[in-house]
Order: sequence, then structure tokens, then C-alpha cells
Amino acid sequence: NAGVTQTPKFRILKIGQSMTLQCTQDMNHNYMYWYRQDPGMGLKLIYYSVGAGITDKGEVPNGYNVSRSTTEDFPLRLELAAPSQTSVYFCASSYSPLDRGEAFFGQGTRLTVV
Amino acid sequence: QQQVKQSPQSLIVQKGGISIINCAYENTAFDYFPWYQQFPGKGPALLIAIRPDVSEKKEGRFTISFNKSAKQFSLHIMDSQPGDSATYFCAASYFSSGSARQLTFGSGTQLTVLP
Repeated sequence: NAGVTQTPKFRILKIGQSMTLQCTQDMNHNYMYWYRQDPGMGLKLIYYSVGAGITDKGEVPNGYNVSRSTTEDFPLRLELAAPSQTSVYFCASSYSPLDRGEAFFGQGTRLTVV
Repeated sequence: QQQVKQSPQSLIVQKGGISIINCAYENTAFDYFPWYQQFPGKGPALLIAIRPDVSEKKEGRFTISFNKSAKQFSLHIMDSQPGDSATYFCAASYFSSGSARQLTFGSGTQLTVLP
């Protein structure tokens, strides 16, 4: 099993550009999450999904969109990139709600908006 | 209300020493408290977790102490080793909606264990 795979690993965007961060998992997990990690700030939840076709906002959803058309994939879309979106983005998945099982994280995407 | 405050921001310990990281929370809706370990260039990985109905949980050299009345919990790493050098995040989980739960993370502690 590859676990949670994120692409790309690094990306530089210009202000106003758009991009999609890809996330796929091969563990048949229903629950998937997107976090951003800023220095000294821990991880903040952007969006999450409890299954195909079901998504919901987390703590910091502004400027992002998600979709969940399959169990495996949970892409994160950035529209009109801004310098404030410079961060490391982590996708995660879990088999069960997070009080009964762990979240498995991908290796992250380091995004710089200039 | 959703914050989890973590300290210290960085910690340097000699090999064989005890590393202690502390976290505090306000929201009494939190009912599950995991610790995640993150090595450079990697995503976080679950280390150990505790529920508020117990005051302590031990797994090998790692122990969580939980004080429900003070709304504080801490991670103790006994006999710290250079391989333990990583960033440690405390977190707290609460029920959000439907069957979903969210994790609120602390700001992280960068642990360095000197050989």
C-alpha cells in the first residue's frame, strides 16, 4: 500500500494563478482531510470529507475548494492564489472518526505564492 | 474556545534524559487527545492517544498524563534518544457533525535530543 499520496511535492505560484493539489489514498478510507501547516502555528483544517460526494468546511476554508467524487481522491483547489496561501499542505485520511483511529498523512505539498 | 496551547516551542534534552511537553485546552467538548510526531519532510504520524476517563497512558518510553480538572495534558518521553528528535504536536478531537470529528492541533514542539 502506498498510503496517502500527494502531488506535487513543491510548487511556486504567481499571485492570481490557480492550481489543484492532488491527494489519493489506497486504504479505502471514508474520511479525508486537508490541513495547512504554517511555521509555529500547528496544523489548521481546511476541508474534510466523510465519504464520496460529502464535503464540509474546516477552520480555514476561505480561498479553497474541494470535491470528492471517489473514495480514493480528494483534490484541493486554490483559486486566485494569494501570498497568505504560502504554506505546507497535508492531506490525511482515516478509516474511522478520529476518536477511534488515527489520521494517516501524506508527505505534504510545499506551496509558495509570489 | 477551540485552541490547544502547547509549550515549550522548542526543547533540547541530553540523551537519556526526560522530555516533557505540555498542552492546555479550554473547550470541554474535547474528548480524545492524541499526540502526533513529525520528522522533517514527512507528514505527522500518530504516536499515542488518551481519552479523558484515564489519567495516564504509557506505551514504551512514551507516557501521556492527563489532568481533566485542570484541562491539561502532557507527553513524557523517558530515556530520550537522538532518534526521538522531531516535532511533536498535541491535538484534541471533538465531534463536529454527522459522523465526523475534527482535530485541533497545538502549535508544535521541536525536540532535539543531543547524543
